[in-house]
Amino acid sequence: NAGVMQNPRHLVRRRGQEARLRCSPMKGHSHVYWYRQLPEEGLKFMVYLQKENIIDESGMPKERFSAEFPKEGPSILRIQQVVRGDSAAYFCASSPLGGQGGNEQFFGPGTRLTVL
Amino acid sequence: KNEVEQSPQNLTAQEGEFITINCSYSVGISALHWLQQHPGGGIVSLFMLSSGKKKHGRLIATINIQEKHSSLHITASHPRDSAVYICAASGNNDMRFGAGTRLTVKP
Repeated sequence: NAGVMQNPRHLVRRRGQEARLRCSPMKGHSHVYWYRQLPEEGLKFMVYLQKENIIDESGMPKERFSAEFPKEGPSILRIQQVVRGDSAAYFCASSPLGGQGGNEQFFGPGTRLTVL
Repeated sequence: KNEVEQSPQNLTAQEGEFITINCSYSVGISALHWLQQHPGGGIVSLFMLSSGKKKHGRLIATINIQEKHSSLHITASHPRDSAVYICAASGNNDMRFGAGTRLTVKP
């Protein structure tokens, strides 16, 4: 049973370009969470999705960032018109049950985004 | 003040020493998580607690709900335990993270 997969592992973009980060949850998991870790900072919650639904996006920046988890395929975190401050490690996690409350999450290896 | 506070921020120990990392939180929680982040960046979930104590190998995690405090203990520490240990408090849908404790175990 493969773990949570993220790709690409490393992504380099120039300012103004778009970044697309993909996350495939563990088999049987229908709940996905995205987190961001800025350089030398702690992890911060961004968004929680269930298949075809955004459950909680309270941690998402209001502009340029969006996330989806379609019925088929991976979850996508999309950052439009990237700026240098978007450089960070983006982690995805999945769980088999809903809500972050009492459910163990399994983390992917992360995507390290560098904006030049 | 952060909602999840960890101490110490950095910890250096000799191989074989008993390690304790502390976590205090100020928010209501459904569960308290301990995570391990390796130098390469990967994150592993070590424990999820809502009460009492859990043990896995040389790792022990405890939580005191009344005092809003949790501890992670490592017995007989080893250099391979060197990593950043992160405490996280989860509510209904979100998770709040501590800043992490960077542990270095020297041989």
